[in-house]
Amino acid sequence: GENVEQHPSTLSVQEGDSAVIKCTYSDSASNYFPWYKQELGKRPQLIIDIRSNVGEKKDQRIAVTLNKTAKHFSLHITETQPEDSAVYFCAVSLGAGSYQLTFGKGTKLSVIP
Amino acid sequence: DAGVIQSPRHEVTEMGQEVTLRCKPISGHDYLFWYRQTMMRGLELLIYFNNNVPIDDSGMPEDRFSAKMPNASFSTLKIQPSEPRDSAVYFCASSAFGRGGYGYTFGSGTRLTVV
Repeated sequence: GENVEQHPSTLSVQEGDSAVIKCTYSDSASNYFPWYKQELGKRPQLIIDIRSNVGEKKDQRIAVTLNKTAKHFSLHITETQPEDSAVYFCAVSLGAGSYQLTFGKGTKLSVIP
Repeated sequence: DAGVIQSPRHEVTEMGQEVTLRCKPISGHDYLFWYRQTMMRGLELLIYFNNNVPIDDSGMPEDRFSAKMPNASFSTLKIQPSEPRDSAVYFCASSAFGRGGYGYTFGSGTRLTVV
């Protein structure tokens, strides 16, 4: 099955700095890569996603980059704010045409005011 | 739309008892997923349905777990008998993959505690 590694497991940044979270995957046929944000006690919520035919996607302060050759993708958050503090999960589709997602173990991001 | 609705939000039960978790997906979504979240194992897919039909239940831990989707607007996950190691947050999610949509919408989850 798909193996998804997410790093780091915890990340602390000063408010205003950037944060980068990286995920690697094993199945070269995977073609959909979403990122979810989960605040304490809440549900995971989709914040951004990318398909395999695109190398980068931006939405205001967040961006995702994909390197299909190296089989890794990253979440970039710029100008971090305290409300960005949460656990972030990457996910990977289970091969081409699959609608199953395999999730990384999560990164706990703390933004220090 | 009210989103994906799960009930109950919290469930505390004694070991050996039957537990039933419920989920109402977003109207029009054709895929429904049940996930379990623990600190140790993260988010694990238990089973998913397409148009009410179970497609892959390989993630169901053992025979004590069963899931049904009798119609497009309702699904249940049942644990019988429950054990303390089943304590976790159980999420239901739905998606409109078959209609061109991507991404899951999760429900608020059911926090299950088995004592």
